[in-house]
Amino acid sequence: DAGVTQSPTHLIKTRGQHVTLRCSPISGHKSVSWYQQVLGQGPQFIFQYYEKEERGRGNFPDRFSARQFPNYSSELNVNALLLGDSALYLCASSFGGGPDYEQYFGPGTRLTVT
Amino acid sequence: GESVGLHLPTLSVQEGDNSIINCAYSNSASDYFIWYKQESGKGPQFIIDIRSNMDKRQGQRVTVLLNKTVKHLSLQIAATQPGDSAVYFCAEGANRDDKIIFGKGTRLHILP
Repeated sequence: DAGVTQSPTHLIKTRGQHVTLRCSPISGHKSVSWYQQVLGQGPQFIFQYYEKEERGRGNFPDRFSARQFPNYSSELNVNALLLGDSALYLCASSFGGGPDYEQYFGPGTRLTVT
Repeated sequence: GESVGLHLPTLSVQEGDNSIINCAYSNSASDYFIWYKQESGKGPQFIIDIRSNMDKRQGQRVTVLLNKTVKHLSLQIAATQPGDSAVYFCAEGANRDDKIIFGKGTRLHILP
């Protein structure tokens, strides 16, 4: 079975542009979470979606938004990119929405903002 | 692949010895604690978890200890192997919300 997949693997954008990152969860998983990992730090929680509804939001500005589709895949959108948005963006899927459900992470999308 | 945790604390352990990685967590109301392993170029991988009503849990070659009095979590890896080289993160979560909060990582370096 395929694990969590993310696309693209790498992306270079210019300040002020918009970016869309995509995630496909493990088959049967209904929850997707997004994390930002800056080099040298642990992942920071951005959003969690469960059954297509937002279940949790981290301390990120409104430039960050996400959605989950009927097939449980998800998109993370970031508007008006800043240099500080450069990071590895990780997607994790789990069967359920609570923190006690094991999360399976994808390989991430490396975003570079110049 | 990219390198995760360039400036993280590093624990160097001789191959075959036991490793102990420590973590101080922040929220006394957390219900759930998890250890993740992250290898270069990959996303974090679940190792073991423990609920707040427990103080010890054992897996295959790994043991997690929880001390709620001092908000301390540790991961013990028995007979450390070269494949254990990675950055290790502790994380915490609470049932009242769905966030998983990651702590600072520790790089485990295995000496031959």
